[in-house]
Amino acid sequence: NAGVTQTPKFQVLKTGQSMTLQCAQDMNHEYMSWYRQDPGMGLRLIHYSVGAGITDQGEVPNGYNVSRSTTEDFPLRLLSAAPSQTSVYFCASSYLPSDNDNEQFFGPGTRLTVL
Amino acid sequence: RKEVEQDPGPFNVPEGATVAFNCTYSNSASQSFFWYRQDCRKEPKLLMSVYSSGNEDGRFTAQLNRASQYISLLIRDSKLSDSATYLCVVRYPPTGGFKTIFGAGTRLFVKA
Repeated sequence: NAGVTQTPKFQVLKTGQSMTLQCAQDMNHEYMSWYRQDPGMGLRLIHYSVGAGITDQGEVPNGYNVSRSTTEDFPLRLLSAAPSQTSVYFCASSYLPSDNDNEQFFGPGTRLTVL
Repeated sequence: RKEVEQDPGPFNVPEGATVAFNCTYSNSASQSFFWYRQDCRKEPKLLMSVYSSGNEDGRFTAQLNRASQYISLLIRDSKLSDSATYLCVVRYPPTGGFKTIFGAGTRLFVKA
């Protein structure tokens, strides 16, 4: 049971390049989400998904795309990287909160630098 | 205004001290509340859920005041290992897509 895995751990991009951050979970969780964390800003929600084929925007979706073709995978695509997207990106998953008490499990993060 | 607001700190306390953090949220429809802990350069991990009746887990006590829209975390008998950033987390109900919003975190340093 690997939990939530993210690849790569570190990435350096040039402005204008595109790339995909990978996220996978093996806990059969319906809910998956992507956050970015910047100094003094906490975690900000980029996109989330409540199940395969269903995605929605969070607080800061501009410049990012997601898809959810399977329950296990939730990749995040940067269409044209900008220096403002330099950040630490966390993927998280949980069961759908049928009650009020569903823990989100986080991956180890991807540290992205855009030059 | 941020949806979830916390005092960023840092709080510097000696071992054995009691320290309290507060957090306010703006969306009255928020349904679920949590405290997460994040160590430096690591991923956040659940510390405890917060229930309307208040709940305790060892040295940690969490309380929720829905009328005033704030959440609190009390840490008693602080240990060096409690040094971390504490994140207040609010989750929306199904009508809000279960969106989960994090506060910016409160940094705690516990000194010997």
